[in-house]
Amino acid sequence: DGGITQSPKYLFRKEGQNVTLSCEQNLNHDAMYWYRQDPGQGLRLIYYSQIVNDFQKGDIAEGYSVSREKKESFPLTVTSAQKNPTAFYLCASSPLAGGPGELFFGEGSRLTVL
Amino acid sequence: AQSVAQPEDQVNVAEGNPLTVKCTYSVSGNPYLFWYVQYPNRGLQFLLKYITGDNLVKGSYGFEAEFNKSQTSFHLKKPSALVSDSALYFCAVTRRNAGNMLTFGGGTRLMVKP
Repeated sequence: DGGITQSPKYLFRKEGQNVTLSCEQNLNHDAMYWYRQDPGQGLRLIYYSQIVNDFQKGDIAEGYSVSREKKESFPLTVTSAQKNPTAFYLCASSPLAGGPGELFFGEGSRLTVL
Repeated sequence: AQSVAQPEDQVNVAEGNPLTVKCTYSVSGNPYLFWYVQYPNRGLQFLLKYITGDNLVKGSYGFEAEFNKSQTSFHLKKPSALVSDSALYFCAVTRRNAGNMLTFGGGTRLMVKP
């Protein structure tokens, strides 16, 4: 089945460690996105990419990094510079052609910093 | 800048009664509006969207939403609520030429009681 796969679903990290969250899609979508979700704050955009080897910062990019070496993959690294990394992270994708359409979301990764 | 307000953190409704989840927006130009639903520890699922045309939009699972340009609102409605509708609902907005760069509201938790 086509979709977006995020892994791991749950992740625990000690302070000072970097961690990488995986996002893979087989929908042949051009655009991919990373959002952070905190209770009562909705979703905030971290990074997005509309084409391979290119990506742009969203509203809260500080302390995060991404890469887009393949169309199917858009991993997110939460670095030790991120001051409050405990959150639910959502990856999404969308086609670019045909005007604004819905985003397709993965199941999320919950990161807890101990 | 674009923004979305969901004024109610939680909406409680009895099963079988009609439900309304409120959303107001601010955007330059013509808005493109979306509703998504999220079940616990899951990603977001698309419900419906307004791009242009009829102000009443019908979507998945019997939900509909009414676009009101003068009130800058896009309230989500359902004639008869089900217990299984209990979830977190997000309204989102973008504008022409902004692609799929959605701005999300803070979310409204819908609780449907038997």
